[in-house]
Amino acid sequence: DAKTTQPNSMESNEEEPVHLPCNHSTISGTDYIHWYRQLPSQGPEYVIHGLTSNVNNRMASLAIAEDRKSSTLILHRATLRDAAVYYCILMRYGTYKYIFGTGTRLKVLA
Amino acid sequence: SQTIHQWPATLVQPVGSPLSLECTVEGTSNPNLYWYRQAAGRGLQLLFYSVGIGQISSEVPQNLSASRPQDRQFILSSKKLLLSDSGFYLCAWNTGQGVGMNTEAFFGQGTRLTVV
Repeated sequence: DAKTTQPNSMESNEEEPVHLPCNHSTISGTDYIHWYRQLPSQGPEYVIHGLTSNVNNRMASLAIAEDRKSSTLILHRATLRDAAVYYCILMRYGTYKYIFGTGTRLKVLA
Repeated sequence: SQTIHQWPATLVQPVGSPLSLECTVEGTSNPNLYWYRQAAGRGLQLLFYSVGIGQISSEVPQNLSASRPQDRQFILSSKKLLLSDSGFYLCAWNTGQGVGMNTEAFFGQGTRLTVV
């Protein structure tokens, strides 16, 4: 399973943009990049996913490097409710497994 | 709409006792189903996944087993619990179409198991 590396923790001020990085240098051409987040005492929640092109949805944007060896989850305006652990996951074609790493704990300051 | 039900929400069990956690999905057919465990302060560990009735793949050798007796039902069991089985157990599903890599997973609210 391809591995992802994320910073253990990050802080952001409320209503400011947040850029959460993820390195995946061993990514293969058929690996999709998924992001999930987990609020305290809850199950993870889907945020966004992509393959090669940048993606936007109502929750966030995903910026994928041209060589696909890294990606960045962008929260455009952080709120206190965005405080969570954010996981970057690679899903390989032909597999069914979501393999979670340790994630980044995001703290949002009021 | 699709929903996932997982119960109980919390459970305290003595060492050596059996375990049965149940997960059901509504509003979809032939889902891929997953069991994860999260130890306190740690990440999520994939325990089992299933792509169809009676088809179980185990990711980690352990004291646990899983079964899928019906299309939308996934059960996690143990014959004798160990202290190390304590944790937050999460069930998840995604659509069975394709090979799962381009679909999002939906997680239940989890069962917090404490083995004493």
